[in-house]
Amino acid sequence: EIVLTQSPGTLSLSPGERATLSCRASQSVSSSYLAWYQQKPGLAPRLLMYGASSRATDIPDRFSGSGSGTDFTLTISRLEPEDFAVYYCQQYGSSPWTFGQGTKVEIK
Amino acid sequence: EVQLVESGGGLVQPGRSLRLSCTSSGFTFGDYAMSWVRQAPGKGLEWVGLIRSKASGGTTEFAASVKGRFTISRDDSKSIAYLQMNSLKTEDTAVYYCTRGGSYYGHWGQGTLVTVSS
Repeated sequence: EIVLTQSPGTLSLSPGERATLSCRASQSVSSSYLAWYQQKPGLAPRLLMYGASSRATDIPDRFSGSGSGTDFTLTISRLEPEDFAVYYCQQYGSSPWTFGQGTKVEIK
Repeated sequence: EVQLVESGGGLVQPGRSLRLSCTSSGFTFGDYAMSWVRQAPGKGLEWVGLIRSKASGGTTEFAASVKGRFTISRDDSKSIAYLQMNSLKTEDTAVYYCTRGGSYYGHWGQGTLVTVSS
């Protein structure tokens, strides 16, 4: 099974700053089948990105994804107050699908 | 509008069984794979398993942690996906989410809490 390791565990930033989240896979993720989700307390996750770099419907363009193989990045260009949440990566290239452990983006 | 509503959660003793349902609307249910993802209290997301559409063979896949204990089925006539959980363990305690699709997940239910405890 592919293990996804996210870093850092917590990112403390101020609104307006840039956030860079990392997701590293234990083996290559085929065809860049990697997704990113945002989750706020008490709510279901929300899909942000799929195919490593394609934005999901209605996701603002301050969110971008990049990477291939074993290294992937989610970038939030300028943090808005509503962006403070937990972010998860997920690979769906090799069964079983797996999630990373999450990165919490908190207000500094 | 796509809607997914889970039901069937609750308190169950270790070793017992429970069946969750995911009632869907707003899309042609039979055209899609359906998946289950869980989240233990205060923890991250864990993929549980999926069932493909009948056109794709209706096959299932599961995480190692639940393989042999959990099964997934579907009733396309009622637009319902089921998660049958047998031989439940305390570590199966989680919110269980139903999701549409068999790869990445753009639509999620609100989740149903399963608590396994004596």
